[in-house]
Amino acid sequence: QQQVKQSPQSLIVQKGGISIINCAYENTAFDYFPWYQQFPGKGPALLIAIRPDVSEKKEGRFTISFNKSAKQFSLHIMDSQPGDSATYFCAADQTGANNLFFGTGTRLTVIP
Amino acid sequence: EAQVTQNPRYLITVTGKKLTVTCSQNMNHEYMSWYRQDPGLGLRQIYYSMNVEVTDKGDVPEGYKVSRKEKRNFPLILESPSPNQTSLYFCASSPTSVGEQFFGPGTRLTVL
Repeated sequence: QQQVKQSPQSLIVQKGGISIINCAYENTAFDYFPWYQQFPGKGPALLIAIRPDVSEKKEGRFTISFNKSAKQFSLHIMDSQPGDSATYFCAADQTGANNLFFGTGTRLTVIP
Repeated sequence: EAQVTQNPRYLITVTGKKLTVTCSQNMNHEYMSWYRQDPGLGLRQIYYSMNVEVTDKGDVPEGYKVSRKEKRNFPLILESPSPNQTSLYFCASSPTSVGEQFFGPGTRLTVL
């Protein structure tokens, strides 16, 4: 059973556009929600993360929006660039559980 | 340079031939994990370790073994590999139980 559901599976965006990736979870005990970025041939790398006590976190062009009541969170990439083309994974973790649950991934392609 | 290293990066083997994938980190992290990445499934945790000699099962531990005799090393052992263990494997380390995980470059394993 997939603990974290992610959509879309793939996304094509024009340069300068906004990329939006959505995730949903069921376990209300999750208290840490990171997004990882993975380039071909590389391991995932942390992009941005949020705790459920805030509804939004912004770092440069990347923003996480978090809706605790709906158990959903999303990644927004503003002014998308070709260098953003990668696979993005949302994830969820619970303090003390020692198990990071990943979504199925979104392959983002930014067209010049 | 702070990093997680894995060896080998690519491995083709046959069913039943025991193999070990090594993982080493130089960041003095207490927590280490192994994940497998499969298309459409994202990353799933195989085993994790909270410290030397302390390990526990993740979501998909069947067919795998681990050991943590030294803080920096966390090898993954497949005693009798089968074709359904063909996958991309990642080792990760973290200074805390919840927080950023640092991933290695991955090991692509094919079991014939």
